[in-house]
Amino acid sequence: DTGVSQDPRHKITKRGQNVTFRCDPISEHNRLYWYRQTLGQGPEFLTYFQNEAQLEKSRLLSDRFSAERPKGSFSTLEIQRTEQGDSAMYLCASSVLALQGEQFFGPGTRLTVL
Amino acid sequence: EDQVTQSPEALRLQEGESSSLNCSYTVSGLRGLFWYRQDPGKGPEFLFTLYSAGEEKEKERLKATLTKKESFLHITAPKPEDSATYLCAVRTLSGGYQKVTFGIGTKLQVIP
Repeated sequence: DTGVSQDPRHKITKRGQNVTFRCDPISEHNRLYWYRQTLGQGPEFLTYFQNEAQLEKSRLLSDRFSAERPKGSFSTLEIQRTEQGDSAMYLCASSVLALQGEQFFGPGTRLTVL
Repeated sequence: EDQVTQSPEALRLQEGESSSLNCSYTVSGLRGLFWYRQDPGKGPEFLFTLYSAGEEKEKERLKATLTKKESFLHITAPKPEDSATYLCAVRTLSGGYQKVTFGIGTKLQVIP
């Protein structure tokens, strides 16, 4: 399968713990995006990378959130000191620079904060 | 602030009953409008990109159209496997960087 992959698919954690998610984009895609989606809502943009550079961060991304994309390949999204309001589906997508809107999404990581 | 409004929020159709989903937008500097399909528990699946008013795209039973203020996703003779949430998204340029804003989606249920 050459699509976008995310790991883990599900994560249950206790409030206050740190969690890290991984995204492996389609190999030739140089743009990578993180979104958050809660039940009944559309995906909300969090941040995106062009190669290894983080180009934009949403104001939704508080100081407890950090994302990296070392070497312009896979990306990680870390949430520190998780809160119950962080419970959501975290989606990763990738695209080719020339076709920026045609983003291909991974299956998502479902986070539940108890 | 960019706004994307989808209607209806939910739609129930009989198999074979054609209908349309609406996506209206208020943005500055549209750089593309996109339709995605999302099945429960999965990531969105790309369907169409539309860039300019008057443009149309088709794929199987789906046809997307674009005007200056809205887009329609027409579903012709739907089948139960077309049941999903259909998401509309717009891409704009803000401060030199791209931004993608999604609507909340239309949940479509096709009854056999």
